[in-house]
Amino acid sequence: QQQVKQSPQSLIVQKGGIPIINCAYENTAFDYFPWYQQFPGKGPALLIAIRPDVSEKKEGRFTISFNKSAKQFSLHIMDSQPGDSATYFCAASRRGGGADGLTFGKGTHLIIQP
Amino acid sequence: GAGVSQSPRYKVAKRGQDVALRCDPISGHVSLFWYQQALGQGPEFLTYFQNEAQLDKSGLPSDRFFAERPEGSVSTLKIQRTQQEDSAVYLCASSSTDRDGNEKLFFGSGTQLSVL
Repeated sequence: QQQVKQSPQSLIVQKGGIPIINCAYENTAFDYFPWYQQFPGKGPALLIAIRPDVSEKKEGRFTISFNKSAKQFSLHIMDSQPGDSATYFCAASRRGGGADGLTFGKGTHLIIQP
Repeated sequence: GAGVSQSPRYKVAKRGQDVALRCDPISGHVSLFWYQQALGQGPEFLTYFQNEAQLDKSGLPSDRFFAERPEGSVSTLKIQRTQQEDSAVYLCASSSTDRDGNEKLFFGSGTQLSVL
């Protein structure tokens, strides 16, 4: 059972555009929702994370929108650059990301064209 | 070092061989995780340590997988009698807690295991 569903699988956006990646979760016990960025040959790196008590969080060019009633959250990348080309993973966990570990989505391969 | 270090970077094993993968976490990090990432997929949780105690091993796919962290720092993931389906990238992460109490995971670059 896939507890975190991520879409789209791949996405191509022109430089300066705003790619949007969506995730939906099933387990209402999840209370921590991070996004990770992964470059080829590297491990995932934490980008930004949100708790369900807020509907939006911004850090630099990255914004998470969170809809608790719909059990959905999304990542927006403002003013996208070719250097943002990577695979992005949403994730979810209980109790702030601790002992239960993170449940990851399957990833979105993002390409930003110059 | 500044980050999580994993070795070897690549490992090729013949089916049936035993392998050992090493993880050096960020100094002072109490929590350590192992994840398995198949090609084109997201990481999947394997096991979790708090210091030397293995508190959760529910993600280990079979009894051929064994992890240890005897002194609460370096960890080793061992796979016995490797099978082709074990081919994947094995990621180690250690974590720190932010001011909101959330555990932030820092991943190493992984060990890419290929079983022939």
